[in-house]
Amino acid sequence: AQSVTQLGSHVSVSEGALVLLRCNYSSSVPPYLFWYVQYPNQGLQLLLKYTTGATLVKGINGFEAEFKKSETSFHLTKPSAHMSDAAEYFCAVSDNGNNRLAFGKGNQVVVIP
Amino acid sequence: DTGVSQDPRHKITKRGQNVTFRCDPISEHNRLYWYRQTLGQGPEFLTYFQNEAQLEKSRLLSDRFSAERPKGSFSTLEIQRTEQGDSAMYLCASKASGGASTTDTQYFGPGTRLTVL
Repeated sequence: AQSVTQLGSHVSVSEGALVLLRCNYSSSVPPYLFWYVQYPNQGLQLLLKYTTGATLVKGINGFEAEFKKSETSFHLTKPSAHMSDAAEYFCAVSDNGNNRLAFGKGNQVVVIP
Repeated sequence: DTGVSQDPRHKITKRGQNVTFRCDPISEHNRLYWYRQTLGQGPEFLTYFQNEAQLEKSRLLSDRFSAERPKGSFSTLEIQRTEQGDSAMYLCASKASGGASTTDTQYFGPGTRLTVL
């Protein structure tokens, strides 16, 4: 079964500073990996995904993530945080994208002016 | 493409009552998923449908929970004899599977927040 570990439930970052959210996964088959963002009282919006091919993937709002098989990681980064980035971020894994998603516990990002 | 919609957005009920939620997926999506999200946690898989067939159910889906997708379009999730532990956000997602329109991304609705008093 697939699983995801996200450490540090709350992450504080200064406006303009690097955003780094860590995600490590466990999967017995080649994983499909996703980052979703959730704003208060809303559903989840896809930020970016890795399925196959290029291991560095770019998403919306200036975010990107790199799939590293040797480290079983899919960390999310953004060079410069904006106030609008304050939200909860979830990493998720599935086997081939057809079945259930297994989510991490999420990171609540706070942007400090 | 109007996105995934869910109704109601909020539901407050008393313990022991039955509640039903509805999800309307993106029109061309044949797969529909239900997840539950409790406070401070990531969403947890409950069940999914391929057209009208319910293909997988999580152990989280107790006998008090039932989901249907009778015509392969919208889906309902019913909880009978609600308990305070059922308080959560119930999320629906859909995707296209099979054929030229296959996607690998699940698109989520805004969720139904259930509060059981």
